[in-house]
Amino acid sequence: KQEVTQIPAALSVPEGENLVLNCSFTDSAIYNLQWFRQDPGKGLTSLLLIQSSQREQTSGRLNASLDKSSGRSTLYIAASQPGDSATYLCAVSSGNTPLVFGKGTRLSVIA
Amino acid sequence: DVKVTQSSRYLVKRTGEKVFLECVQDMDHENMFWYRQDPGLGLRLIYFSYDVKMKEKGDIPEGYSVSREKKERFSLILESASTNQTSMYLCASSSHQGHGNTIYFGEGSWLTVV
Repeated sequence: KQEVTQIPAALSVPEGENLVLNCSFTDSAIYNLQWFRQDPGKGLTSLLLIQSSQREQTSGRLNASLDKSSGRSTLYIAASQPGDSATYLCAVSSGNTPLVFGKGTRLSVIA
Repeated sequence: DVKVTQSSRYLVKRTGEKVFLECVQDMDHENMFWYRQDPGLGLRLIYFSYDVKMKEKGDIPEGYSVSREKKERFSLILESASTNQTSMYLCASSSHQGHGNTIYFGEGSWLTVV
């Protein structure tokens, strides 16, 4: 059974810092991996989707990488801002089954 | 703009009541999902549906049922609410499972059972 782990569970950084969030998964036979953002009390918003054949995806200050063979993905946030404060979740799609989510990393960017 | 709408954002119900959580999507998506989210436990899948009148159990279906009579609507039913069902419930939809399409979430429904 696929399991997704995110480390660290919480992270606090000063504004302007570049940071990396980590995601690992146990079964490398995935279709894709997605990163989501969740603000307190809200639903999830998709940030980036990486297909299994891709190595990375970029959107603005966000860059997500995927190393399928090692079961790892990273989300890189450049020049962090207080507005980036949220919980970031990764999820993997394996075959014809629903997404499996990690528990998320709660990010605080301090002004 | 794509939209998944959960009709009730905040509900307070009594133990033993029957509770309906409604979810509607306007994207003609085949797949719909119900999750619950609890601190320290993350998102857990309750039920999902790949088509009208179809349903599949997720990881924690006990105490819940679902209904999908129309493509755009997926309802979660708590037959007899209990305090351990106090949680945030998230509905989601997507066009194809596992084939690179983004999943869209509603804003969530906060349910408190007293």
